[in-house]
Amino acid sequence: DQQVKQNSPSLSVQEGRISILNCDYTNSMFDYFLWYKKYPAEGPTFLISISSIKDKNEDGRFTVFLNKSAKHLSLHIVPSQPGDSAVYFCAVNYGQNFVFGPGTRLSVLP
Amino acid sequence: DTGVSQNPRHKITKRGQNVTFRCDPISEHNRLYWYRQTLGQGPEFLTYFQNEAQLEKSRLLSDRFSAERPKGSFSTLEIQRTEQGDSAMYLCASSFGSGGGYFGPGTRLTVL
Repeated sequence: DQQVKQNSPSLSVQEGRISILNCDYTNSMFDYFLWYKKYPAEGPTFLISISSIKDKNEDGRFTVFLNKSAKHLSLHIVPSQPGDSAVYFCAVNYGQNFVFGPGTRLSVLP
Repeated sequence: DTGVSQNPRHKITKRGQNVTFRCDPISEHNRLYWYRQTLGQGPEFLTYFQNEAQLEKSRLLSDRFSAERPKGSFSTLEIQRTEQGDSAMYLCASSFGSGGGYFGPGTRLTVL
């Protein structure tokens, strides 16, 4: 029973366009959300986070949106670059640990 | 480099053998996490330390698994009597306080 869902296993986007990665969660008590990026043969790298008191957080080309009523968050990358090609994990803070989604593989095509 | 390091990076072992992995966190981080990741899945929480105290263990952590962080610095994860289902990437992460963790590169375990 997945508490964090990323329903798109993969996504392809043209360089320069917007990438939108989606994540849904089941527990309305979750209050802190994160996105990680993972390249092959490396551990996940923290990208951006948002707490439940906000609905948007922006860091350069990366923006995370949180819709608490829908229990949905999304990561927008604009403009997308080939170096953004990686697996993106959505994670939620649950007690003292973090629960991760299964990931979405983003391919940015030149 | 002051990131999280893990050793070894790869381990191949025969079923029934014991293996031990080491994680060296970022030095000022008081929290240390172990996760397991299998193909097509996100990292799954195994256990968590605050300083030297092991505060939480997942039900995924069977009796064959044990983790220590004796001085609140590095940590070890031991798997006894390995099984083929233990084959996975074992990831360590550290953090200071409750923020998102910084992950190491992982140890890939293959049990033959």
